[in-house]
Amino acid sequence: GAGVSQSPSNKVTEKGKDVELRCDPISGHTALYWYRQSLGQGLEFLIYFQGNSAPDKSGLPSDRFSAERTGGSVSTLTIQRTQQEDSAVYLCASSLRLFTGELFFGEGSRLTVL
Amino acid sequence: GQQVMQIPQYQHVQEGEDFTTYCNSSTTLSNIQWYKQRPGGHPVFLIQLVKSGEVKKQKRLTFQFGEAKKNSSLHITATQTTDVGTYFCAVNQGGKLIFGQGTELSVKP
Repeated sequence: GAGVSQSPSNKVTEKGKDVELRCDPISGHTALYWYRQSLGQGLEFLIYFQGNSAPDKSGLPSDRFSAERTGGSVSTLTIQRTQQEDSAVYLCASSLRLFTGELFFGEGSRLTVL
Repeated sequence: GQQVMQIPQYQHVQEGEDFTTYCNSSTTLSNIQWYKQRPGGHPVFLIQLVKSGEVKKQKRLTFQFGEAKKNSSLHITATQTTDVGTYFCAVNQGGKLIFGQGTELSVKP
């Protein structure tokens, strides 16, 4: 696609429910990154993928968070048993190669946990 | 863990004044990137610096990478209202691309 696409753009859920956030990177980009941005805060690194592999999952805030990438393209970030502190904007970015050059960000998925 | 410190957190300027934000690392960096995030928007890449002492300019924006490759700055000359937003540096640390906390710039017309 022309840019990084994320869905949903907004998600309101009840505490305890599971949510899935989707990221469709720019075609041909091998690297994909997930960040979390709380209101008025910086970008918290969650996880990156090189191809389908995620070598380092230590940035994920808890074991309720998981992410996968299939076919070297679309990635899904899943949050199980959501908590109010999970409320944030989840940003996905892709780049042509890992840690090299420009990161292209999507518009983000705003998650609100009631 | 290793961090990149960005200062100041906020900067309020009158239109036409200059603005500078700084990023500092305790260790030598391989490179540093700068991004701008408009209010309500997503981060947009501005530039990447790689070489020691490198200086790059984009119109009114001047980017510097320190000689020791441990610090960097972004300077805006004669700010305009279109410069409003948060400016982030980003560095590769331990296999993670880490962003500074950002400097939020507001410009009073």
